Amino acid sequence: ETGVTQTPRHLVMGMTNKKSLKCEQHLGHNAMYWYKQSAKKPLELMFVYNFKEQTENNSVPSRFSPECPNSSHLFLHLHTLQPEDSALYLCASSHIGGGLQETQYFGPGTRLLVL
Amino acid sequence: QKEVEQDPGPLSVPEGAIVSLNCTYSNSAFQYFMWYRQYSRKGPELLMYTYSSGNKEDGRFTAQVDKSSKYISLFIRDSQPSDSATYLCAMLVKTGNQFYFGTGTSLTVIP
Repeated sequence: ETGVTQTPRHLVMGMTNKKSLKCEQHLGHNAMYWYKQSAKKPLELMFVYNFKEQTENNSVPSRFSPECPNSSHLFLHLHTLQPEDSALYLCASSHIGGGLQETQYFGPGTRLLVL
Repeated sequence: QKEVEQDPGPLSVPEGAIVSLNCTYSNSAFQYFMWYRQYSRKGPELLMYTYSSGNKEDGRFTAQVDKSSKYISLFIRDSQPSDSATYLCAMLVKTGNQFYFGTGTSLTVIP
């Protein structure tokens, strides 16, 4: 596996369910991100982990809970979601510092539908 | 005012046309500028990355940055049907890892 992978690719869940999204990066990066992409809106940054420490939480509702056990893996735990949470959830990774190109590489996303 | 403004389109051009995609921004602290291509049902894929004002060319793609006008462009020469996708601009302030994205422009190249 290369690059950034995400599972599952598609997820349908009811409002009372609990599910988790998984992201793995094989690029040796030290920062990972969760974004929400809704139609006709800019990508919304949800969480940032830099060296496994959460450095950003853009007022995301508590029904979304991130977990970063190491610099290669990132999870997004979901519970009691709302229909308006239906969107494409994208994971990204990048290298912060060291004079290297600090651009982000994205996974294919998880298409989430909340019924 | 939004940090990054991008016309969502849709934009439809015949095969072989030159395509111009644009973004404007308000934050003069942005130093890094990127263009991503996103095919339907896929994640964004990095296309071009520029740091300074001026032009950067990669095959049929040219990225242009004008910091004085706070304006960036992506030009696609000899457009192909395989270029049909949504193109997102993104910007970064060096001192943080907060990326700012445009809404994306939907492009269709008609054979």
